[in-house]
This record gives sequence, C-alpha cells and structure tokens, in this order.
Amino acid sequence: DTEVTQTPKHLVMGMTNKKSLKCEQHMGHRAMYWYKQKAKKPPELMFVYSYEKLSINESVPSRFSPECPNSSLLNLHLHALQPEDSALYLCASSQITSGGGTDTQYFGPGTRLTVL
Amino acid sequence: GENVEQHPSTLSVQEGDSAVIKCTYSDSASNYFPWYKQELGKGPQLIIDIRSNVGEKKDQRIAVTLNKTAKHFSLHITETQPEDSAVYFCAASPYNTDKLIFGTGTRLQVFP
Repeated sequence: DTEVTQTPKHLVMGMTNKKSLKCEQHMGHRAMYWYKQKAKKPPELMFVYSYEKLSINESVPSRFSPECPNSSLLNLHLHALQPEDSALYLCASSQITSGGGTDTQYFGPGTRLTVL
Repeated sequence: GENVEQHPSTLSVQEGDSAVIKCTYSDSASNYFPWYKQELGKGPQLIIDIRSNVGEKKDQRIAVTLNKTAKHFSLHITETQPEDSAVYFCAASPYNTDKLIFGTGTRLQVFP
C-alpha cells in the first residue's frame, strides 16, 4: 500500500479564517513533506519533517504553520492567508535512507485551496 | 543550489509512437532522479526512478537513462497510449538532503 491520504479535497476560506489541512500515511515512513503547486507549475517544497521533527522550512511565511503529531500524521494550519496562497497543497511521505537523503516520495491527491 | 531544466514543455505524439523527455541538472552531487506523472486534478504519481550508480532502468514501456558526466537524464515511453497523456515532471535530489527539485514539466498528449 503506497497511499497518502489528504483531507479535505477542496477548501474555500476567507482571509480572516483559520483552517487546517490534514495528511495521513500508514507506510511506516518517517519523513513527511508539504508542497505547494500553482497551476501549470511544478510542486515547490514548503516543509520537511524527519522523525516528527521539522528539518526543513523553505522560508515559508508564518501564516502557514506545520505540525506533525505522530509518525503517521501531518497537519498544515492556515491563518490570515492571502488570495495568492490559492493553490494545490500536496503532502508526500518517504523512508529515510541509512545514509541520509530522500528515498522515493509518495504523494497524496492534494487539497485544492481557494482564498477569497 | 540545484536547478533542473526540462524539455520540451509540450509534446504531441500519435498513439504507438515513442516519446522522449529530457532533463538537465546543475548539482553534480545529486544522486536520485525520479519521474512523476500528474493527471488533471490528481497528485504526482511516481512512474520510475534512477540512482546515480545506475545508467539505465526499464519498466515495461518506460525507461530512464542517466548520463552523470553530462548531468542529464531522459524519460523514454514506447508504444504510447492515450492514457499516457498527462504532465510529466522530472526531479533531482541533492546528495544527503530530503529535497526534490522539480523540472518545469512536460505536457504529453497522445492522439489516437
């Protein structure tokens, strides 16, 4: 089973709302990722968690707040977003190789976010 | 940092023909190169990957070749089918990082 699930599939929110995106995997992967993908563009890395600890933050604005409650779950808390934050938000997971570095990353279907 | 260029941006082929997509990378220390297929409204799906200690890998109609000296790698799809139509992304992972740096994508259209 190489499934990563994400909820919700679609989300519409106002600029003053607070919402959360959720991601789950049961493959025993110890690395989890958040990517942002704008239309007709490649995914852009936002955050990486390794062994439930934040290891990479690609200078993402603080209105995006990641959380990794356990090795299977990854959340992205959203607050005071801007219309330009509208995008497809993808979660991925992977094993961590013995020498460090990424192994195959498996992506979820994404959450389509619209900020009004 | 790593930079990945991908060509062509669009590719149209007749069903049954072959399709080739090429990528170049800048960081000679990158050691992992996956290819993803993304259909409309879906997340990227891994179709094949290759590591820097291998020059070629095949899986049925799909193959990837890697030239470390020239720092480029290519995706080859033979006997294309309409269901191969999608956007394809190459990516490179710099050594000892958790990052994937994606190419700009190729929209492949296979006409019946």
